[in-house]
Amino acid sequence: EVQLVESGGGLVQPGGSLRLSCIASGFTFSAYWMSWVRQAPGKGLEWVANIKADGSEKYYVDSVEGRFTISRDNAKNSLYLQMNSLRVDDTAVYYCASHQGRKFDFWGQGTLVTVSS
Amino acid sequence: QSALTQPASVSGSPGQSITISCSGTSSDIGAYDYVSWYQQHPGKAPKLIIYDVSKRPSGVSDRFSGSKSGNTASLTISGLQPEDEADYYCNSYTISGSHWVFGGGTKLTVL
Repeated sequence: EVQLVESGGGLVQPGGSLRLSCIASGFTFSAYWMSWVRQAPGKGLEWVANIKADGSEKYYVDSVEGRFTISRDNAKNSLYLQMNSLRVDDTAVYYCASHQGRKFDFWGQGTLVTVSS
Repeated sequence: QSALTQPASVSGSPGQSITISCSGTSSDIGAYDYVSWYQQHPGKAPKLIIYDVSKRPSGVSDRFSGSKSGNTASLTISGLQPEDEADYYCNSYTISGSHWVFGGGTKLTVL
């Protein structure tokens, strides 16, 4: 059974930093692209970033470029999102998702990030 | 990277069929057959229900079907059931270098 479990969310002040983690199991993590997708309270889904299976390529939505960094450790079946210079509008539930093909196959349960003073 | 356009809400009675549209551009929906749809119940993670425009993952009911014409994709749910009441999101791969874009979401109400 595929499982993706996010952690690391919490309350942070504007300008602060936070590191999210996602631990994968039930599939060959090292073979697939992975993404972070977020959902602001009461709003829709927004793709944030993705990373190639071997970590050699990374892409970001314009609004987080230069502030967020996606990374992975295939030996630990783990995906990360380092978030710096956080803004109020970064407040959202952050999901990690796997890409087995051009689709978001499996999703974690999400972790809530709240940016507020 | 503008969001794809979906109607904010649709509704239907049990047993009826509904269609949700998803409008994009030649840089996303029109560029590839990589349109997918996700169902999200309140407080839950999204679930993949359609991929590659019209394919269904194992375990997804055949009441869900997808199609595409030009820059617009559609999700049809036939034989509506109360448990279909949820938010639905379309998604497309884009030509902007491995970027993805979601639609704004459509709330389906089963009357």
